[in-house]
Amino acid sequence: AQSVTQPDIHITVSEGASLELRCNYSYGATPYLFWYVQSPGQGLQLLLKYFSGDTLVQGIKGFEAEFKRSQSSFNLRKPSVHWSDAAEYFCAVGARAGGTSYGKLTFGQGTILTVHP
Amino acid sequence: DAGVIQSPRHEVTEMGQEVTLRCKPISGHDYLFWYRQTMMRGLELLIYFNNNVPIDDSGMPEDRFSAKMPNASFSTLKIQPSEPRDSAVYFCASRPGAFLYGYTFGSGTRLTVV
Repeated sequence: AQSVTQPDIHITVSEGASLELRCNYSYGATPYLFWYVQSPGQGLQLLLKYFSGDTLVQGIKGFEAEFKRSQSSFNLRKPSVHWSDAAEYFCAVGARAGGTSYGKLTFGQGTILTVHP
Repeated sequence: DAGVIQSPRHEVTEMGQEVTLRCKPISGHDYLFWYRQTMMRGLELLIYFNNNVPIDDSGMPEDRFSAKMPNASFSTLKIQPSEPRDSAVYFCASRPGAFLYGYTFGSGTRLTVV
């Protein structure tokens, strides 16, 4: 079964600083990979996704993520953080194969991002 | 499109009572998912449907939980009887047939069982 680890529970950065949120996955083949963001009291919003091809994917709000097969990682980055980026971020993995695993996402525990002015 | 619509947004109930959470997926989406979010366990998949048929309910915690999808535009998650440990935010999500398009989540129902 697939699994996702987000090693950092809470990260604090200053506004304007760069950001990297870590995500490691466990899956027998190349999975589908996603990053979602959740603002307080809201549902999850899709930031970006990786399916195949270019390992550097661009998303909304200036975020990008890089798939590294050798490291089983899919880290999220942003060159300059804005105060409005403060939220909780979730990495998720989806199985490519058939069976009951196909079609469902497994989420990491989330990383809370605090942005200091 | 109004997105995935969940109701109610908040529910406070007493232990032992029946609770019904509702979800209207996006029209045309073939898949519907119910997730539970808690501080301790994060986001857990409870059950998902494909074309109104339950595909995987292995995440349903116990028999007190049941979910139905009588048609393509409506699903319910029922807890009977409710217990304080069921307190959580319950999310419904839907997506089209292709994984490529990702999930769309509702705003969630915050359930408090006292």
